[in-house]
Amino acid sequence: TQLLEQSPQFLSIQEGENLTVYCNSSSVFSSLQWYRQEPGEGPVLLVTVVTGGEVKKLKRLTFQFGDARKDSSLHITAAQPGDTGLYLCAGNGIKAAGNKLTFGGGTRVLVKP
Amino acid sequence: NAGVTQTPKFQVLKTGQSMTLQCAQDMNHEYMSWYRQDPGMGLRLIHYSVGAGITDQGEVPNGYNVSRSTTEDFPLRLLSAAPSQTSVYFCASSQGLRPAGGPYEQYFGPGTRLTVT
Repeated sequence: TQLLEQSPQFLSIQEGENLTVYCNSSSVFSSLQWYRQEPGEGPVLLVTVVTGGEVKKLKRLTFQFGDARKDSSLHITAAQPGDTGLYLCAGNGIKAAGNKLTFGGGTRVLVKP
Repeated sequence: NAGVTQTPKFQVLKTGQSMTLQCAQDMNHEYMSWYRQDPGMGLRLIHYSVGAGITDQGEVPNGYNVSRSTTEDFPLRLLSAAPSQTSVYFCASSQGLRPAGGPYEQYFGPGTRLTVT
């Protein structure tokens, strides 16, 4: 079984501060996705990374896929209260079906105004 | 498009009862999945399907059955509910794998909150 560990589990910061969330595994994944989930709703995709070393930016969010495709990070610059939510990473194993994803345990982010 | 719909939104069962969680999508997606979400454990894959008539087990399939007779519907059956099945259940659909690599976006339903007493 491929496992994804996210850290930290919970992060509370003030508006304007930066934060980084980590997603680590001992297994290689063909791709990694990051989702954000708000209370009472299903997760919504933020980004998909497929190439080792790849960096993608989405406004104030920067996503990186490790060179060995075993880890990923999400960095938020100048966080805003609207960034509050549960951030989930999800890995797709080598040769796995496109919807056979392994999710991390999630990082709950609270941005205080 | 309604996207992915799930019914019911809330359900309380007694131990030993059976029920079916409904999931439907109107995006003509081939791939559909069922997940459960427990506090601090992210989402865990129960069963998934890569097309009508094709299903396979995920990480935590015990106690659950699925079938996929149409592209649109993917019901999840609890055969004999147990307190350990208390959870929030999410259905998702997607187009599968992108030609350039990596999966397409999974679209999630709003979830069903199930309590087994």
